Amino acid sequence: DVQLTQSPSTLSASVGDRITITCRASQSIRNWLAWYQQKPGKPPTLLIYKASGLESGVPSRFSGGGSGTEFTLTISGLQPDDFATYYCHYYDAYYTFGQGTKLEIK
Amino acid sequence: QLVQSGAEVKKPGASVNISCKSSGYMFNAYYMHWVRQAPGQGLEWMAWVNPHAGGTKYGERFKGRISVTRDRSISTVYMELKNLRSDDTAVYFCARYRTPDGFDMWGQGTLVTVSA
Repeated sequence: DVQLTQSPSTLSASVGDRITITCRASQSIRNWLAWYQQKPGKPPTLLIYKASGLESGVPSRFSGGGSGTEFTLTISGLQPDDFATYYCHYYDAYYTFGQGTKLEIK
Repeated sequence: QLVQSGAEVKKPGASVNISCKSSGYMFNAYYMHWVRQAPGQGLEWMAWVNPHAGGTKYGERFKGRISVTRDRSISTVYMELKNLRSDDTAVYFCARYRTPDGFDMWGQGTLVTVSA
């Protein structure tokens, strides 16, 4: 099975910062990777699909990149609403989530 | 939207059946998945069902204990988990899979608490 490892597990940042979260796959998954945002008590919401596709309605400060085994989620100019937990997700023959990255206010 | 049934409290060894009713889109056109989240933990994929043909796929950890079905007449998917254990305590989500992009719509979640 494909394993996804996110780093860091926790990230402290300030409003206006640019941050990057990394997701590494245990084997090549081409670009079958999505990113989700989750706030406490809510279901996740899709941000990025196929590694770099921006979901409709998601602000352009969110961007995704990478292919194969290494992927990134970048938020340029953090807003107060962005402090949440982020998950990467492999979806193809299998469906695997990373362990999550909690983005906290510094 | 996807609307799930309400919270459940079950004893170890019991079964739980959660429903997920779809509206506002063509039910047959999107696979439906189930994902769970234990308290304070990450997301865990469980299963999918093809609403059109009824085919299913289950995660290895759940095989033998899980069953996912659908009722096309009422645009509803069901997930039954049997022989519950305390570590099945979690919020269970249904999620619509938009091919080839990911889970673009989620239910609100159903909390299942397993306790003696």
